[in-house]
Amino acid sequence: EVHLAESGGGLVQPGGSLRLSCVCSGFRFSDFAMSWVRQIPGKGPEWVSGIRGNGARTYYADSVRGRFTTFRDNYNNMVYLQMNSLGVDDSATYYCAKEMAATGVPIFDFWGRGTQVTVSS
Amino acid sequence: EIALTQSPDTLSLSPGERVTLSCRASQNVPGNKLVWYQQKPGQAPRLLIYDTFKRATGIPDRFSGSGSGTDFALTIARLEPEDFAVYFCQQYGGAVTFGGGTKAEMK
Repeated sequence: EVHLAESGGGLVQPGGSLRLSCVCSGFRFSDFAMSWVRQIPGKGPEWVSGIRGNGARTYYADSVRGRFTTFRDNYNNMVYLQMNSLGVDDSATYYCAKEMAATGVPIFDFWGRGTQVTVSS
Repeated sequence: EIALTQSPDTLSLSPGERVTLSCRASQNVPGNKLVWYQQKPGQAPRLLIYDTFKRATGIPDRFSGSGSGTDFALTIARLEPEDFAVYFCQQYGGAVTFGGGTKAEMK
C-alpha cells in the first residue's frame, strides 16, 4: 500500500525558513517523480515544485523559484522542501504527492495528508 | 500559464442524479492533458480521471471524463452519497495549473 507522510510544518515569522519532509513507502521510490502541492482552504491546489525520480532535475513554480529547494534521498525514501524567505502568501497546507512516472508526467496518483505552514508575525 | 475555470462554484444535487462538471481552459491544453480529482473535507485530493478520459485505478465507472482543446467535463452518472465533495481539474500540458473547484453538495 502506498503511503506518504509529511512533517515539518508549523508557525514561522515572515522572512523565516522551514524544511518539510515526506517519508514514502509502498512503491519503488526512485522510479517516480515527486511533487509538492499547496492549498489554501476553499481554494484550488497550487503546484509548488517537482523532482525527477533520480533527483537529477527539479522544477519550481514562478512564485517560489529562488526561495524554495526540493531534494530527495532515494536511499531512505524521503523527499524534502526547503523553504526560505517565507512570506504570508506561503501560508497553506503543503502536500507531498507521487507522480505517475519518473519524469514528465505530473499526474498525482497518491498524496499525503498534508502539513500546515503558517507564516505570521 | 493556462488558467482553468470551473463552473459552477456549487451544485445542489440529490443522490441518483446525473451531473456534469465543467472545466474551461484559457487556451488549448496540449495533448488534452487534463486531470480530475475529488477532495473531501480534511482529506487530500484523490485522483479520478487523467488524460481527459482515463479512469484511475479503483475509480467506479460512474465517473467519466470528456472534452478536448479548451472545454472539458467530468460526468458522474448516478450520484452516490460518497460522491458529495469538491472536484478539481488540473492540466499539465503546460506548467501545471489547477482549477478553483466545483462543490457538489447534497440538496
